[in-house]
Amino acid sequence: GQNIDQPTEMTATEGAIVQINCTYQTSGFNGLFWYQQHAGEAPTFLSYNVLDGLEEKGRFSSFLSRSKGYSYLLLKELQMKDSASYLCAVVDSNYQLIWGAGTKLIIKP
Amino acid sequence: GAVVSQHPSRVICKSGTSVKIECRSLDFQATTMFWYRQFPKKSLMLMATSNEGSKATYEQGVEKDKFLINHASLTLSTLTVTSAHPEDSSFYICSARGGLGGDTEAFFGQGTRLTVV
Repeated sequence: GQNIDQPTEMTATEGAIVQINCTYQTSGFNGLFWYQQHAGEAPTFLSYNVLDGLEEKGRFSSFLSRSKGYSYLLLKELQMKDSASYLCAVVDSNYQLIWGAGTKLIIKP
Repeated sequence: GAVVSQHPSRVICKSGTSVKIECRSLDFQATTMFWYRQFPKKSLMLMATSNEGSKATYEQGVEKDKFLINHASLTLSTLTVTSAHPEDSSFYICSARGGLGGDTEAFFGQGTRLTVV
């Protein structure tokens, strides 16, 4: 079967760095997305990786290792507004989008 | 980015009635649409995936006779909650993808807050 694993919840301190991991077992791979969702709002796109390596976008970076079935989202200089859920989604061989359950990130002052 | 419009944003209905939620892709053709449910302080729970013109694929534990999904055109999908009960009260969100390429991201609607009284 297809499976996306991410931690259910993480806590970090304002100003610090946090890494949210995502591991996947899917039938094929055609890319991986990260989305951010604030409570009561719709998710918004953060990043897309299809090749191995690190993609940096300001305070947020996303890493992919296809051989390990692994990705992480790195958030630097954490701000209170980064408190949200972070969703990992993988595109499988049929170009279907497989969603993880999301990681709730709590930022403490 | 592309726009997905979801309507209504809030609905209150009586127990036993049915409620229809619409999800429209306004400036692209959505080959695939997803319906999610979210309880307070919990992550999104995927309910079903639908491709235009075919039956929706429901996730395990989701009653397809209770949550009717219709994806009749490339710009519209509907979710009907039939014979609603208070436990169906939740936040429902749709999302749509405009193609089958690996880099085709999903765009989300604004969500519908359903309250069954």
